[in-house]
Amino acid sequence: QVQLVESGGGLVNPGGSLRLSCAASGFTFSDNYMSWIRQGPGKGLEWVSYISSGSGSNINYADSVKGRFTISRDNAKNSLYLQMNSLRAEDTAVYYCARRAAAGRAFDYWGQGTLVTVSS
Amino acid sequence: EIVLTQSPGTLSLSPGERATLSCRASQSVTSSYLSWYQQKPGQAPRLLIYGASSRATGIPDRFSGSGSGTDFTLTISRLEPEDFAVYYCQQYGSSLFTFGPGTKVDIK
Repeated sequence: QVQLVESGGGLVNPGGSLRLSCAASGFTFSDNYMSWIRQGPGKGLEWVSYISSGSGSNINYADSVKGRFTISRDNAKNSLYLQMNSLRAEDTAVYYCARRAAAGRAFDYWGQGTLVTVSS
Repeated sequence: EIVLTQSPGTLSLSPGERATLSCRASQSVTSSYLSWYQQKPGQAPRLLIYGASSRATGIPDRFSGSGSGTDFTLTISRLEPEDFAVYYCQQYGSSLFTFGPGTKVDIK
């Protein structure tokens, strides 16, 4: 069965950095586009970034994180990453990794999320 | 960037009733790229509908999606106790994904 397990969240000071990981299993990871999506406390969903299948040569970011966050993947390790720099209080959220479905540009599997708190 | 608006913000209904949720886009959305999700407290979202009207794997047929252009609808024909949750629409366009703010369906 498909599983996505995020890790790496925690408490970080404003201006600090954090690297999130997502371990994938139960499917051919290299064949799938992957995304990071976040949800602030009591708020709705916000797409953060995607990376294409294979070499991951196609990448895009939400304007709110562009220039500060970097998405990457290691197909040999079946893992997705999000390097987050220059963190701000408004980046506080649960971060989900999600698999893009084969059809419809939807997200068909989600991890359980990892909480990032940016506060001094 | 396409902005999605969902209405109503909260829908108070009883089990067995019909729920009609609206998602309106600021500009035309490719129907193939309009999806709906259900989220319960403390859980990750679950994909219900993709391509505006196709049910995801394992989704009961009481859930249906319709619409095109800028107006889309999620209908739950008869609410079951487990359907009380928050529902989000989502679209993809111009290499960006956006979500609506959500509609909460709660028990009347």
